[in-house]
Amino acid sequence: EAEVAQSPRYKITEKSQAVAFWCDPISGHATLYWYRQILGQGPELLVQFQDESVVDDSQLPKDRFSAERLKGVDSTLKIQPAELGDSAMYLCASSLAGTGWTEAFFGQGTRLTVV
Amino acid sequence: KQEVTQIPAALSVPEGENLVLNCSFTDSAIYNLQWFRQDPGKGLTSLLLIQSSQREQTSGRLNASLDKSSGRSTLYIAASQPGDSATYLCAVKGNTPLVFGKGTRLSVIA
Repeated sequence: EAEVAQSPRYKITEKSQAVAFWCDPISGHATLYWYRQILGQGPELLVQFQDESVVDDSQLPKDRFSAERLKGVDSTLKIQPAELGDSAMYLCASSLAGTGWTEAFFGQGTRLTVV
Repeated sequence: KQEVTQIPAALSVPEGENLVLNCSFTDSAIYNLQWFRQDPGKGLTSLLLIQSSQREQTSGRLNASLDKSSGRSTLYIAASQPGDSATYLCAVKGNTPLVFGKGTRLSVIA
């Protein structure tokens, strides 16, 4: 069964270090999302891609976060420098299209701990 | 701005009980609503997707209803089992990506 792949599953990093997460969406899905989920909260959108273009990054802390999807397939989310408050689950999701009726599928997430 | 609220925040029931989880949203202009399950430390598993033109969807022991005009959805779980213990998240999709509630943490006691 097709699924969204994310790596690593867990990451521990020191404050002020750089960290990167990778996501491979379901084949054929043009839309890719990165969400952040703080413990006990619902996921919140960081960035949405349509193919290789950013559609919505209004909630992305651009001073330290960056995201790219160069060939419109897999994507990388980077944090530099990491701060203690960045400790969270980072979830990637994909869908056939970003608008309308399409269902979103999520990966297993990357659990980030900043120490 | 769309806001999604889930009640209760936590629920503990004995095995075999039927239960209802509630979700409300402030902007009724949605395309669809999804219910997800999340096990501790894991990602989200899609349970049910209800399009805005639909009233309900069923999958096994799960039934989700949608009343778009009143901004409400319910997830009904029949004959609950300990394996149903997880956090259940409701999310709505309008002209923005999915907006999530904070979830209901369900514990089914054997």
